[in-house]
Amino acid sequence: DGGITQSPKYLFRKEGQNVTLSCEQNLNHDAMYWYRQDPGQGLRLIYYSQIVNDFQKGDIAEGYSVSREKKESFPLTVTSAQKNPTAFYLCASRGWLEAFFGQGTRLTVV
Amino acid sequence: AQTVTQSQPEMSVQEAETVTLSCTYDTSESDYYLFWYKQPPSRQMILVIRQEAYKQQNATENRFSVNFQKAAKSFSLKISDSQLGDAAMYFCAFRPNAGGTSYGKLTFGQGTILTVHP
Repeated sequence: DGGITQSPKYLFRKEGQNVTLSCEQNLNHDAMYWYRQDPGQGLRLIYYSQIVNDFQKGDIAEGYSVSREKKESFPLTVTSAQKNPTAFYLCASRGWLEAFFGQGTRLTVV
Repeated sequence: AQTVTQSQPEMSVQEAETVTLSCTYDTSESDYYLFWYKQPPSRQMILVIRQEAYKQQNATENRFSVNFQKAAKSFSLKISDSQLGDAAMYFCAFRPNAGGTSYGKLTFGQGTILTVHP
């Protein structure tokens, strides 16, 4: 089935550690996005990529990093510089018109 | 910079009644797309409806329709004959379709929680 896969579904991180969230799509989409969602809040854009080997900062990029080495993959690294990383993270890819979303990763700092 | 504002944090409606969710946006672009997404308790984002800015006709998808007012930068969602399954958080979203620094940037509003009463 075509779609977007985020893994893992739940992730726990110790303070001071970097952690990488996976996002893979087989929809042959050029554009991909990472969003952060806090409880009862909207989606805030972290990074987005229009094409392989290119990406742009979103509205809350500080403390995060991404890479786009393959069309299918857009991993997000939450670094130790992100002071409040506990949140729900959503990845999306976009074809010509609308975006399609993964199931999300719940990251908790312990 | 583009912004999307949903001024209603929560709305409620009786089953079978009609409800309208509000959305305004701010942009200097003339070519763009607008979307409404639904996020049920499962947290899976589902596209409800989209509108191309160059189209004057309001989009309709079954019980869902929009009122797109380009000059006012307003994009409301009307849900008719509300059903229990419509209960979710609804997000308005904007994406420019022109070249420039914001090309392809997909921006969401804060969301509106819709409760449907039986």
